[in-house]
Amino acid sequence: GEDVEQSLFLSVREGDSSVINCTYTDSSSTYLYWYKQEPGAGLQLLTYIFSNMDMKQDQRLTVLLNKKDKHLSLRIADTQTGDSAIYFCAEKRQAGTALIFGKGTTLSVSS
Amino acid sequence: DAGVIQSPRHEVTEMGQEVTLRCKPISGHNSLFWYRQTMMRGLELLIYFNNNVPIDDSGMPEDRFSAKMPNASFSTLKIQPSEPRDSAVYFCASGQTGPEETQYFGPGTRLLVL
Repeated sequence: GEDVEQSLFLSVREGDSSVINCTYTDSSSTYLYWYKQEPGAGLQLLTYIFSNMDMKQDQRLTVLLNKKDKHLSLRIADTQTGDSAIYFCAEKRQAGTALIFGKGTTLSVSS
Repeated sequence: DAGVIQSPRHEVTEMGQEVTLRCKPISGHNSLFWYRQTMMRGLELLIYFNNNVPIDDSGMPEDRFSAKMPNASFSTLKIQPSEPRDSAVYFCASGQTGPEETQYFGPGTRLLVL
């Protein structure tokens, strides 16, 4: 299909790891992004990965990219209640075009 | 930097009225995007400007919607006449074209059309 696909919901307990998955569509996509949206706020850029990389780590965040399967994941270590938000995956298909966003995964963290 | 600035933050209007949403992108950015977010449809790209020129307006729902970018530091999205189905959160985002082309979002305008 043409859409960036994400599961809609994920529920974890505080202190556990969260893994949010995304499937994108264009094998020639150059960059892939993760955004976070807290209630009542805009989207905040969390991290991004270039398509020739397999992994990128930034503090508690680890991004894994499987280009063959067009699968992107975001792992949040030691998940906190403040991580509760909607997480959007996005792909950049071509230079000079807008990002294509998934519908977002709502992460709920319980204490 | 102040980030992307949008105004108003909230707008309540009656069906048939004109609505104008405003956006000031981050200084130095040359791309500007307008998005609409609803529960049913998620995040939709309405229009994309590069160097003040509209590049892709295929997401603009219909002729009631129009967007302008008269200069690099200001853009408007106008709905005339507004309808209840236009109720949504409208986001403006800006970025700098280049290899990474990350986008930075404003806080959004929550529009309710009664």
